Amino acid sequence: KQEVTQIPAALSVPEGENLVLNCSFTDSAIYNLQWFRQDPGKGLTSLLLIQSSQREQTSGRLNASLDKSSGRSTLYIAASQPGDSATYLCAVKGNMLTFGGGTRLMVKP
Amino acid sequence: GAVVSQHPSRVICKSGTSVKIECRSLDFQATTMFWYRQFPKQSLMLMATSNEGSKATYEQGVEKDKFLINHASLTLSTLTVTSAHPEDSSFYICSAPDVSAHSGNTIYFGEGSWLTVV
Repeated sequence: KQEVTQIPAALSVPEGENLVLNCSFTDSAIYNLQWFRQDPGKGLTSLLLIQSSQREQTSGRLNASLDKSSGRSTLYIAASQPGDSATYLCAVKGNMLTFGGGTRLMVKP
Repeated sequence: GAVVSQHPSRVICKSGTSVKIECRSLDFQATTMFWYRQFPKQSLMLMATSNEGSKATYEQGVEKDKFLINHASLTLSTLTVTSAHPEDSSFYICSAPDVSAHSGNTIYFGEGSWLTVV
């Protein structure tokens, strides 16, 4: 059974810092990995989707990498802003979709 | 711990029929639940927000009459795909936030439902 772990569970940084969120998974037989953002009381917003054959994806200040063999993905956020404060989730798609527990990010002005 | 149960996990139906997918919060009450859809090789996309006791809020481009959402109790939301067609074949997943004091607004997800319309 696939298990997805996100570290850290919570993170607080001052504005402007570059930061890395980690996601690890136990079964490397995946189709894709996806990073989401969720604001309190809202649904998920998809940030980046990495297919199993890809190594990374970039969108604006966000960069996500995937190392399928080691079961790891990172989400890099450059020059963080208070508006980046949210919960970030990674989800691994195998036969089912398995989510990590999320990282709660707080960016302080 | 808190669990969101989604049923059925897989369903095959004939074109033109309707299919109901259930999403239950087993250990907590959820006034809000979210329904998502994922087509092959595409991102998971939010379809609608289900609100207990009131109408669901649909995302742009999602047909309300096609995807009926009923949130009749604090633990159950249902998504009914009406008059299903092959293009509705997809992976559907629900989520529910546990907003109780001890949970810290943790979000729980169902395991998803594969719908195939033939």
